[in-house]
Amino acid sequence: QVQLVESGGGVVQPGGSLRLSCAESGFIFSSYGMHWVRQAPGKGLEWVAFIRYDGNNKDCADSVKGRFTISRDNSKNTLYLQMNSLRPEDTAVYYCAKDLSSSWFEGMDSWGQGTLVTVSS
Amino acid sequence: QSVLTQPPSVSAAPGQKVTISCSGSSSNIGNNYVSWYQQLPGTAPKLLIYDNNKRPSEIPDRFSGSKSGTSATLGITGLQTGDEADYYCGTWDSSLSAGVFGGGTKLTVL
Repeated sequence: QVQLVESGGGVVQPGGSLRLSCAESGFIFSSYGMHWVRQAPGKGLEWVAFIRYDGNNKDCADSVKGRFTISRDNSKNTLYLQMNSLRPEDTAVYYCAKDLSSSWFEGMDSWGQGTLVTVSS
Repeated sequence: QSVLTQPPSVSAAPGQKVTISCSGSSSNIGNNYVSWYQQLPGTAPKLLIYDNNKRPSEIPDRFSGSKSGTSATLGITGLQTGDEADYYCGTWDSSLSAGVFGGGTKLTVL
């Protein structure tokens, strides 16, 4: 059974940094592309970033470009999101999600429970 | 303002059918696979449809997906009160080199 567990959320001041982690079990992590998706309180889903199965290709939303970095360690079956220069508008629940595909957005078939990031002074 | 446009809300009676539209452009829906997600209150999203019209094995055939040109549609038949949720379409945008979601549609089963 596929399981994704996010961690690393919390309260941080504007301009601060956080690193989110997403630990997987139940599937061959190194075979699938992975996403980060966020949801601000009371708002819709916002795609944040995608990384290919081998970590060699990454994309991220314009809203986080230059501030957030997605990465993965296939030896540890873990996905990361390094978030720097955080802004209040980054406040959201952050989900990691597994894609059906190794290399493109085909569909996110497994999701973590989400971790809340609050950016506030 | 989302790249993909969905109606904010739809409603129908139990047992009836409802459709939810998702409108985009040639850079997203027109040339990429569309997926659909159901988000029940307080829970993570769940994949309902992928590759425009395919269902994961655990999703009942009451849920269907279709795509025509730059628009996609989610259909739900035999509505149940448990179907009350927010529904999102998603796809890749080749011009933006980014994933995109619709703004979401709240389904009310009256």
